[in-house]
Amino acid sequence: DAKTTQPNSMESNEEEPVHLPCNHSTISGTDYIHWYRQLPSQGPEYVIHGLTSNVNNRMASLAIAEDRKSSTLILHRATLRDAAVYYCILRSTGNQFYFGTGTSLTVIP
Amino acid sequence: NAGVTQTPKFRVLKTGQSMTLLCAQDMNHEYMYWYRQDPGMGLRLIHYSVGEGTTAKGEVPDGYNVSRLKKQNFLLGLESAAPSQTSVYFCASKDFGYNEQFFGPGTRLTVL
Repeated sequence: DAKTTQPNSMESNEEEPVHLPCNHSTISGTDYIHWYRQLPSQGPEYVIHGLTSNVNNRMASLAIAEDRKSSTLILHRATLRDAAVYYCILRSTGNQFYFGTGTSLTVIP
Repeated sequence: NAGVTQTPKFRVLKTGQSMTLLCAQDMNHEYMYWYRQDPGMGLRLIHYSVGEGTTAKGEVPDGYNVSRLKKQNFLLGLESAAPSQTSVYFCASKDFGYNEQFFGPGTRLTVL
């Protein structure tokens, strides 16, 4: 069973905001929501994570629905270097990470 | 500080052969993970370890074994390789109490 569901692909114009959605309707109360991104031929890299409250860091913002069944990764100004596959992941209390199939983000100059 | 390194970077095996993939980290992290990534797919957890001497099964453990004899190393073994194990294998580590995983560059394995 897929723990997270994401659109296969999205496009954004350079320097515009991007909202990447994720559904996780079977999330448990103790699962953390993580986002990672993967550039071609590289390992994933951490973007952001949260539990219940919205989170901001230098890379992005994470908006978590009140019922925690969905979340949105927000890139405030997309650059060409942000073109990657973005994964929405649930981390269990046992520290296992469950990756979805990811959203391939294309940034248009 | 090399972070997470994986050896080898590429390997081609014949069906039935065995091999071991090595993951090493120099960050003194407690947790280590092995994932596989098939074309167009996300990563799937094979096995993981929460500390030296411990291992646990992930989502897709069949056909693989692991060992964590030293804190800095996590070995992934294939005893009898099958074409279905053709994949890119990623290792990751994470410190206790922190959320961020650090990934290695991956090992591309082809089983003929």
